[in-house]
Amino acid sequence: DVKVTQSSRYLVKRTGEKVFLECVQDMDHENMFWYRQDPGLGLRLIYFSYDVKMKEKGDIPEGYSVSREKKERFSLILESASTNQTSMYLCASSATPDTEAFFGQGTRLTVV
Amino acid sequence: GQNIDQPTEMTATEGAIVQINCTYQTSGFNGLFWYQQHAGEAPTFLSYNVLDGLEEKGRFSSFLSRSKGYSYLLLKELQMKDSASYLCAVNSGNTPLVFGKGTRLSVIA
Repeated sequence: DVKVTQSSRYLVKRTGEKVFLECVQDMDHENMFWYRQDPGLGLRLIYFSYDVKMKEKGDIPEGYSVSREKKERFSLILESASTNQTSMYLCASSATPDTEAFFGQGTRLTVV
Repeated sequence: GQNIDQPTEMTATEGAIVQINCTYQTSGFNGLFWYQQHAGEAPTFLSYNVLDGLEEKGRFSSFLSRSKGYSYLLLKELQMKDSASYLCAVNSGNTPLVFGKGTRLSVIA
């Protein structure tokens, strides 16, 4: 059974903290994605990666960075967390950029 | 540009049929996905349409008209567990999928 696993289901962090959200997939997929999901705004793409060591900005990259040192792992980094980054974060992977995306269970991040 | 429109909310009765529409205007088009997302959970794949027409999968069917930039998801014999958000997403060709904002469906008794 295919699996995308995010390291935390719920996370509470303080303003200004550096936050790491980890995502691991076991499908040997080349492509990995980070989205945030907010009520009324839908899924918005933050960053994506088509290969190890490669990253591309999505629609809302400001305030975020990513790391992909290994094919199976894609990390989202909030350099200095702010309250407007309180959101549900979803990681996904796919075999090619435009095929079915498999999602992790999501991390609900609250920044206080 | 990329624009995908879905109704924000819909309500339907248990046992009934409901149609959720999705219209799109994208710079390229290879196909359209439908995902289901229960509250607090990850989206899960429902269907993928490439060619015009209706594809049926049990109680769920999905329709595509490429010339009209239009798709719909049809849910029959609605059950309470079908209460969820339904997301359409366009494959515009070698770029990440573009998602609509989702339609929240409430099934009532």
